[in-house]
Amino acid sequence: GENVEQHPSTLSVQEGDSAVIKCTYSDSASNYFPWYKQELGKRPQLIIDIRSNVGEKKDQRIAVTLNKTAKHFSLHITETQPEDSAVYFCAASLDALIFGKGTTLSVSS
Amino acid sequence: NAGVTQTPKFRILKIGQSMTLQCTQDMNHNYMYWYRQDPGMGLKLIYYSVGAGITDKGEVPNGYNVSRSTTEDFPLRLELAAPSQTSVYFCASSPSGEKTQYFGPGTRLLVL
Repeated sequence: GENVEQHPSTLSVQEGDSAVIKCTYSDSASNYFPWYKQELGKRPQLIIDIRSNVGEKKDQRIAVTLNKTAKHFSLHITETQPEDSAVYFCAASLDALIFGKGTTLSVSS
Repeated sequence: NAGVTQTPKFRILKIGQSMTLQCTQDMNHNYMYWYRQDPGMGLKLIYYSVGAGITDKGEVPNGYNVSRSTTEDFPLRLELAAPSQTSVYFCASSPSGEKTQYFGPGTRLLVL
């Protein structure tokens, strides 16, 4: 079955810096790769997703890149703000979503 | 449009007790999912359903049962609660042909 590895597990940046979170997946048939943001005690919220026929997608300060050959995808957050502090999860899917273990992002002002 | 709703929000169970976690969505989504999230961990898929009357096991189905008699409801049953089932349980749904999943607010379960 699918296995998703996510790194780093924690990430601390200064406000205004960029943050990058990386994920690798094992099943080359996976074709959908979402990123979720989860604040403490809240439900996961989808922030951006990418499908296997696209190499990059951007939405304001957030971008995701996908390398299907290497089976890895990354989340890029530019101009980080304190409200970006949360746990971020990547996932890979053919049928059901398989999640990474999460990255705790801390943005200090 | 309430989206995905879950009840209860929080529950304490004794070892060996049983309970049903309720999940309802009003978006007419065919696909529904149950996940558990242990502290500091990602979400693990327990069971999922692609439509009324159809259910399938996910990554961690042992100790749980589900049913899907209607499009709206997807209850998760714990028959003999164990401390290892202490977790936060999230229900999610997605429309057919669309992979974006919409999550409910979660149920926090403590088994003592």
